[in-house]
Formats: sequence, C-alpha cells, structure tokens
Amino acid sequence: DGGITQSPKYLFRKEGQNVTLSCEQNLNHDAMYWYRQDPGQGLRLIYYSQIVNDFQKGDIAEGYSVSREKKESFPLTVTSAQKNPTAFYLCASSPPGGSTEAFFGQGTRLTVV
Amino acid sequence: AQSVTQLGSHVSVSEGALVLLRCNYSSSVPPYLFWYVQYPNQGLQLLLKYTTGATLVKGINGFEAEFKKSETSFHLTKPSAHMSDAAEYFCAVRRNFGNEKLTFGTGTRLTIIP
Repeated sequence: DGGITQSPKYLFRKEGQNVTLSCEQNLNHDAMYWYRQDPGQGLRLIYYSQIVNDFQKGDIAEGYSVSREKKESFPLTVTSAQKNPTAFYLCASSPPGGSTEAFFGQGTRLTVV
Repeated sequence: AQSVTQLGSHVSVSEGALVLLRCNYSSSVPPYLFWYVQYPNQGLQLLLKYTTGATLVKGINGFEAEFKKSETSFHLTKPSAHMSDAAEYFCAVRRNFGNEKLTFGTGTRLTIIP
C-alpha cells in the first residue's frame, strides 16, 4: 500500500542532543513537508521540499535541518539549538499542483527528558 | 499571502445535533481550500476539498462545506453528529498559484455529548 511512514512513533531526547526523525513515502510525490504541532497552535511549517536536492525554510525553521537526497525520503534533524523541541511532528507529501491535497504520516511525538 | 482563521478552538454538540465548524480565509488569489480531521496521536486525514466548480463540496463521513467567496468562508457542517466525529478539525488554504504550500488554521476540537 502506498503511503507515508514516519519513524519512530515516540522519541525521547536528552537536552543538548541532536535527533533525526525519519519520513519515507512511496507515493512518488515530488513535494514533501515537515510540520510541528503544539496544542492550540495548529500546524506550523518547518521545512518543505518541492524537488530532490532542494528545500526551503518554513515559518519556524530555526533549530531544525533537513535533507532531500532521494525523492522518497525527507529526514528532519532537531538540533540542540531548538530550545523547545517537545512537540508532535508531522510529515506530509503532495503531488504537483495546488489543487491536490497533502497526505500525512502518523506523526512522531518527541519529548525532551 | 494567505491565512486561515478558525473561530472556536473548542466546540461541543449533542449527539444527533448539527455540527458547524467555522473557517474564514484570506488569500490574494483564488484559493484551494481543505478540511482535515485528526484523531488523537494520529496524522491528518482529508475530509474534503474545494478547488473549482461547485461551491458545495461533499466529503467523507457525511461532512460537507460550502465555499462562499463573498464571505471568504468555508464552513464545515454535518447534519447529525455521531460519537465517532469527536476529533480535531483543521481548515487549510493553498493559493491557486504555482505549487504553493498549505497554510493551516489553529484547529477546532469537536466534542460530542451523549
């Protein structure tokens, strides 16, 4: 079945550590996105990529980094520079064209311990 | 620029009652509009979308929404609430211009009262 796979589902990080969240899709979509979700704040865009080897900062990119070396993969690294990383992280992808919806993974819940 | 405002972060309705979740958008060009639903600790699932054509859009689970350009609104409705409708709902907008990103509202948590 086609879809988006995020792993792990739960992740715990010690303060000062970098962690990488995985996002893989087999939908053959060009565009991929990372969103952060906090209670009462909706989804905020961290980074997005419309094509391999290219990505743009979203609204809250500070403290995060991404890569897009393959069409299927768009990993997100939460660096130690991100001061409040505890949140629910959602990855999405979409085919070309603004009328098409984004398809979402099941999310990764990151907690700083 | 584009933005979405969802009025009411929490809405409670009785089982069997009308569900109305409000969404107003701002967009400098004709928009594409979406409603998503999220159950606890899960990703988002598309309920329905408006692109062009008919302004009344029907989606899954008995939901529908009407695009009203004059009111810049895209409110989500369901005639009769069911317990399984309890979830968080997000309205989103994307400009009808190139391959623009989606912009989401802050969400409305729907509670169903038995």
